[in-house]
Amino acid sequence: EAGVAQSPRYKIIEKRQSVAFWCNPISGHATLYWYQQILGQGPKLLIQFQNNGVVDDSQLPKDRFSAERLKGVDSTLKIQPAKLEDSAVYLCASSLGPTTGRGTEAFFGQGTRLTVV
Amino acid sequence: AQKVTQAQTEISVVEKEDVTLDCVYETRDTTYYLFWYKQPPSGELVFLIRRNSFDEQNEISGRYSWNFQKSTSSFNFTITASQVVDSAVYFCALSFYNQGGKLIFGQGTELSVKP
Repeated sequence: EAGVAQSPRYKIIEKRQSVAFWCNPISGHATLYWYQQILGQGPKLLIQFQNNGVVDDSQLPKDRFSAERLKGVDSTLKIQPAKLEDSAVYLCASSLGPTTGRGTEAFFGQGTRLTVV
Repeated sequence: AQKVTQAQTEISVVEKEDVTLDCVYETRDTTYYLFWYKQPPSGELVFLIRRNSFDEQNEISGRYSWNFQKSTSSFNFTITASQVVDSAVYFCALSFYNQGGKLIFGQGTELSVKP
């Protein structure tokens, strides 16, 4: 079974530029998450989708971050304009449903490492 | 507050030693779920275990074992006879059904197993 695919793996941009990340979840997974992991810290949820609807975006900096999940499958996360503090690994994860049900553990991609200079 | 604390930032052991990674959580909810994930250098988080708040039975899977104690709000992870391949960052996490199942992670413990 194919895992969660993310691209690109690495990205270096200058501050104030824009950047987009792409995620393809495991086939059949209704729930998709974007997490931000700053160096030395645990991942922090940015946004959660259930199919193509947003479940939780309370920690998404909406003035600069946006995300969409068209047709309930692939998702893109965009930052515009980027700031130095956005340097982090952006992890995409998917699960059959909310992680509280049996068999619904979240599977993670390898992440996109963003460096803003 | 809902929070996970992993007080050990880094642990270094020699191969074949046993090692315990500590996890303490905070919540007022009675229904919650606890997880451990492993993050190798490649970056992806690998699921290890999920435990719900009503099941305090300890679990063993090969060299891995987990000790869940509600009385102390702890969910500790022990690796027996550690191996070099166990070197990674380990995260403890918490989730709640009424919050859509999002994972609240601790800061992580970096385990280094030396040959």
